[in-house]
Amino acid sequence: EAQVTQNPRYLITVTGKKLTVTCSQNMNHEYMSWYRQDPGLGLRQIYYSMNVEVTDKGDVPEGYKVSRKEKRNFPLILESPSPNQTSLYFCASWDPPYNEQFFGPGTRLTVL
Amino acid sequence: AQKVTQAQTEISVVEKEDVTLDCVYETRDTTYYLFWYKQPPSGELVFLIRRNSFDEQNEISGRYSWNFQKSTSSFNFTITASQVVDSAVYFCALRFNNAGNMLTFGGGTRLMVKP
Repeated sequence: EAQVTQNPRYLITVTGKKLTVTCSQNMNHEYMSWYRQDPGLGLRQIYYSMNVEVTDKGDVPEGYKVSRKEKRNFPLILESPSPNQTSLYFCASWDPPYNEQFFGPGTRLTVL
Repeated sequence: AQKVTQAQTEISVVEKEDVTLDCVYETRDTTYYLFWYKQPPSGELVFLIRRNSFDEQNEISGRYSWNFQKSTSSFNFTITASQVVDSAVYFCALRFNNAGNMLTFGGGTRLMVKP
């Protein structure tokens, strides 16, 4: 089954404790991206990757890091999480430019 | 810069009513793509439709229809004979051919269909 998976689905952590949210896709898509969803703001792009070892900032990259060492994986790293990073995070993959993005199920992160 | 506006933050209808969700976009590009996604209460994002800027044909899929008008930069979504299962947040999104192929989302419209 074609899918994007994210882990964990739910995470409660404390300020400053480094965490990683994993994302994996099995569709051999070139592009992958991370979004955060906040009420009234829709989804905003954090980082995206056009291929292995090629990443770039989206609209709201501050406080986040990513890496793309393999085509299928695109982890999101919060080195020192803060409460303003409490949000719902989605990973997506697609083949540009025309095709729709496939989204993972979301990761709800709470930073206390 | 590109922007997507969904002015209706929340709509409430009674089952079987028709409802239209508005989407207005801004972009300077001549080639771009428009999308609608549905987010049911379970939280996942479900792709509904895409449209490219050269195709202004309206589309109907069952009870769903989309009206794309370049002249007014709008891509509105109508649900005919709404059902309780249509209750969700609906997002309109815009992508143009920039390096990152970035998708810009509107703020979403929460649709509540009451029995």
